[in-house]
Amino acid sequence: DAGITQSPRHKVTETGTPVTLRCHQTENHRYMYWYRQDPGHGLRLIHYSYGVKDTDKGEVSDGYSVSRSKTEDFLLTLESATSSQTSVYFCAISTGTGNTIYFGEGSWLTVV
Amino acid sequence: EDKVVQSPLSLVVHEGDTVTLNCSYEVTNFRSLLWYKQEKKAPTFLFMLTSSGIEKKSGRLSSILDKKELFSILNITATQTGDSAVYLCAVLENYGGATNKLIFGTGTLLAVQP
Repeated sequence: DAGITQSPRHKVTETGTPVTLRCHQTENHRYMYWYRQDPGHGLRLIHYSYGVKDTDKGEVSDGYSVSRSKTEDFLLTLESATSSQTSVYFCAISTGTGNTIYFGEGSWLTVV
Repeated sequence: EDKVVQSPLSLVVHEGDTVTLNCSYEVTNFRSLLWYKQEKKAPTFLFMLTSSGIEKKSGRLSSILDKKELFSILNITATQTGDSAVYLCAVLENYGGATNKLIFGTGTLLAVQP
């Protein structure tokens, strides 16, 4: 257990509405990540953070923004949800460069 | 473009069989290769491989990396129904600084029948 909590775990929302997913960690890890997982694509990196207020884009960042105002929280925001953003979202953490990455339990998002 | 390719895509075996899962990669800034097991939830970490030719073992699971041929294998001996899962291979990129990113393959779906 890497001390990662994601919320909400399940959400259904309408197209065009904003959605925020929260990732909370209890062990002061420096690196935090948001991935999405879709059939046929595997896990793809959306955004990541390497410290408070330090974030960068991953390979599928369009339509998403993130914020990290505290070490323990990493927020993923869909400003205006679209059906293509229906997916399972995983938060992950790492203790440092080159270290193993551990995943949270996932957030299932459906955009109707 | 960096990529990680796993084979086979899916596999059905009977309990007691031995299976070998394959992972090949083309990644510019290779640092290490990781294996994860995913049931109906989060991927759980199995192994991290950084050096060629050194086998990592955990119970009935073992894995080895070949950095010359750019591949890794995951072996599972005496399979059990509880081994049924998607097995994910991922390469950790090395940027030598603050970044630490995984590139995933699409996984191998293993089904172990009683």
